[in-house]
Amino acid sequence: AQTVTQSQPEMSVQEAETVTLSCTYDTSENNYYLFWYKQPPSRQMILVIRQEAYKQQNATENRFSVNFQKAAKSFSLKISDSQLGDTAMYFCAFTSQGGKLIFGQGTELSVKP
Amino acid sequence: KAGVTQTPRYLIKTRGQQVTLSCSPISGHRSVSWYQQTPGQGLQFLFEYFSETQRNKGNFPGRFSGRQFSNSRSEMNVSTLELGDSALYLCASLGTPQETQYFGPGTRLLVL
Repeated sequence: AQTVTQSQPEMSVQEAETVTLSCTYDTSENNYYLFWYKQPPSRQMILVIRQEAYKQQNATENRFSVNFQKAAKSFSLKISDSQLGDTAMYFCAFTSQGGKLIFGQGTELSVKP
Repeated sequence: KAGVTQTPRYLIKTRGQQVTLSCSPISGHRSVSWYQQTPGQGLQFLFEYFSETQRNKGNFPGRFSGRQFSNSRSEMNVSTLELGDSALYLCASLGTPQETQYFGPGTRLLVL
């Protein structure tokens, strides 16, 4: 069975600092996609960043970047220059079948002024 | 393009009733997936519809069902509601870049 594990239920960071959220997954598939979603208090699920497993280059989106280690099945999210608006629940997600995402349990990130 | 829309946004029902939730995907998207989010179980996949056919199904009882119309709008139905069905129900449509799902704002269901 495919699983996604986020081992940090809660994290906090000072504004303008850098924070890294961890995610590991388990799959026997070779082709798949990984995502980080953000869910602020409004509960709207917002795509932060995506990574195709066949690409060795780590994805980046402005202040957000990932460290994708395929052999280790690790997919961490780094947030640079943290902002108050980054406060949210962050979910790591996996799919090998487009319409079916498997989510981790989430990491609640607090950015403190 | 307009995003994924879900109606209603909030619902209160009593045990034993049934409920129907609606989801309209982003224009041009043909796949719609449904998820249940609860504090205890987290985010769980319910089912996916593509071109009016169920393409994937999660591990939920038969009380949970869905359908998709020719315009890609989807509905999910929960019959004989139980207290444990209280949750945020999220709908997502699949688009580009490849295999990327975009979520609606969700429907909060409270079962009393």
